[in-house]
Amino acid sequence: QKEVEQNSGPLSVPEGAIASLNCTYSDRGSQSFFWYRQYSGKSPELIMSIYSNGDKEDGRFTAQLNKASQYVSLLIRDSQPSDSATYLCAARPNAGGTSYGKLTFGQGTILTVHP
Amino acid sequence: SQTIHQWPATLVQPVGSPLSLECTVEGTSNPNLYWYRQAAGRGLQLLFYSVGIGQISSEVPQNLSASRPQDRQFILSSKKLLLSDSGFYLCAWRSRAMRGNSGNTIYFGEGSWLTVV
Repeated sequence: QKEVEQNSGPLSVPEGAIASLNCTYSDRGSQSFFWYRQYSGKSPELIMSIYSNGDKEDGRFTAQLNKASQYVSLLIRDSQPSDSATYLCAARPNAGGTSYGKLTFGQGTILTVHP
Repeated sequence: SQTIHQWPATLVQPVGSPLSLECTVEGTSNPNLYWYRQAAGRGLQLLFYSVGIGQISSEVPQNLSASRPQDRQFILSSKKLLLSDSGFYLCAWRSRAMRGNSGNTIYFGEGSWLTVV
């Protein structure tokens, strides 16, 4: 069973702090990783994708990937109350070209940024 | 640009009644299409995916079925709903025209909230 694991939280941080969200995956062959943000009652929206080891930055968001440790993280700098949402980690399984783009999702981490 | 539309947004159905959720994608051709379900407080579970018209693969045995009558249309159905079918249903698409890692991203529709009573 290919799994993606996240700490369900909730994670609470003060406004302006760095929020750190973590994710591990079991399929060592996974190549593509994604972070989605989901506001309550809404559908997930893509924040970041990462494919190579190391860091990838986009504005206040930084995704980090360590394939050796099978670990993906998302850092949110200068957290704002509007960042309060559930963050979903997803991985594309390695199925020898037959995965058809399917993603495996973690259960999500609830983030609350308080003023 | 590509857009995805899903409807209805919300529905309340009695146990044993039929279900039809519809999804259409605009601005792209021959996409991969997916139906996911999210139960309360849980992650996303892939139900069905389709790589072309009439081609449906089921990930989880259940009370639901899917169909793809047109290239950019994906339908989720049930003949008789169960209480356990309640949840947030999400249609998603992925471009098959983009190669490599850039083509791996999937995008979600607005979702349909189903409550079976």
